[in-house]
Amino acid sequence: EAQVTQNPRYLITVTGKKLTVTCSQNMNHEYMSWYRQDPGLGLRQIYYSMNVEVTDKGDVPEGYKVSRKEKRNFPLILESPSPNQTSLYFCASTIGTGGNEQFFGPGTRLTVL
Amino acid sequence: QKEVEQDPGPLSVPEGAIVSLNCTYSNSAFQYFMWYRQYSRKGPELLMYTYSSGNKEDGRFTAQVDKSSKYISLFIRDSQPSDSATYLCAPGSSNTGKLIFGQGTTLQVKP
Repeated sequence: EAQVTQNPRYLITVTGKKLTVTCSQNMNHEYMSWYRQDPGLGLRQIYYSMNVEVTDKGDVPEGYKVSRKEKRNFPLILESPSPNQTSLYFCASTIGTGGNEQFFGPGTRLTVL
Repeated sequence: QKEVEQDPGPLSVPEGAIVSLNCTYSNSAFQYFMWYRQYSRKGPELLMYTYSSGNKEDGRFTAQVDKSSKYISLFIRDSQPSDSATYLCAPGSSNTGKLIFGQGTTLQVKP
């Protein structure tokens, strides 16, 4: 089954404790993104990657890091989480840019205390 | 001004009603227009997309784009309780390859 998986689905942590949210897709897509979704603000892009070892900032990259060492994986790293990073996070992948469907993962609900 | 504005609702309608969901956008560079549907505790899924002004129909759903007024609409005919979800408009540009999502409108269809 073609899918994007994320882990963990739910995470409660404390300020400053480094964490990683994993994302994996099995569709051989080149383009992957991370979004956060907040009430009243919609989905905002954090980082994206157009291919292995190619990553770039989205609209809200502060406080986040990403890496793309393999085509299928695109982990999101919070080196020192803060309460304002409490949010619902989605990973997405697409075959390419320019009007192609983005496939979203199931989401990771993160709470930073 | 946000690039994409969408009334967040919530919108509550009786089963069988016609629903109109709307977005406005400010960037004339947007070339394609998508609607995603997001059920509670799930990721968004593509519902419809169009590349031009005019209407595109798919079953009970019609996507309408008016580029001259920068207005996007999604119509749902004969709405069903299973249509209860959040609907996100998402225009994009082939130049940047980027989608800009609206805030999403939460729809509840009551039996």
